[in-house]
Amino acid sequence: EVQLVESGGGVVQPGGSLRLSCAASGLTVSSNYMSWVRQAPGKGLEWVSDIYSGGNIYYADSVEGRFTISRDNSKNTLYLQMNSLRAEDTAVYYCARDIQPPGIGSGMDVWGQGTTVTVSS
Amino acid sequence: QSVLTQPPSASGTPGQRVTISCSGSSSKIGYNYVYWYQQLPGTAPKLLIYQNNQRPSGVPDRFSGSKSGTSASLAISGLRSEDEADYYCAAWDDSLSGWVFGGGTKLTVL
Repeated sequence: EVQLVESGGGVVQPGGSLRLSCAASGLTVSSNYMSWVRQAPGKGLEWVSDIYSGGNIYYADSVEGRFTISRDNSKNTLYLQMNSLRAEDTAVYYCARDIQPPGIGSGMDVWGQGTTVTVSS
Repeated sequence: QSVLTQPPSASGTPGQRVTISCSGSSSKIGYNYVYWYQQLPGTAPKLLIYQNNQRPSGVPDRFSGSKSGTSASLAISGLRSEDEADYYCAAWDDSLSGWVFGGGTKLTVL
């Protein structure tokens, strides 16, 4: 079964850091186009970051310079290192995969269940 | 404010046909595919439509998508109570090199 499982969420103070993990099974992270998408409480979906199979990395302007996406091929796991966290980063964070280059392929067809990040003092 | 514009709500009765619109600029919807996601309460989004009008395996043919110019639509026919969910359109933004989403439409089955 193809599955993504996020972990690492929690409560952190403004300015703090957190690292999210997305463990994959049934698919190879390094062979796919992996995304982080977040959803603030009661709000819509917001794209955060992508890492391509070839290694290209992209970020939303709102997190550029503060968040870092990476992957560990030996653990088949995707990560999101979040630094300098702000209240507006409070959200459920989902990881998702796309088989083909984003925007021209079959879309994000596998999603994790999400992990909650709360930034509050 | 979302880059893609959707109505915040839609409703219909069981068996009816409902459409949800999604509009954007030429640099997003105009030149790129539109995708639709369904999010049932308390769950992760689920891919519903890709490449404007294609259904992934397992998605009922009651769901259909279309695109014309800088607008797209999701149609749901034979509405069922289990279709009550939030629906999001999405498109690739070439200038951002990232996804942009609509604000979401909450569908209520009366």
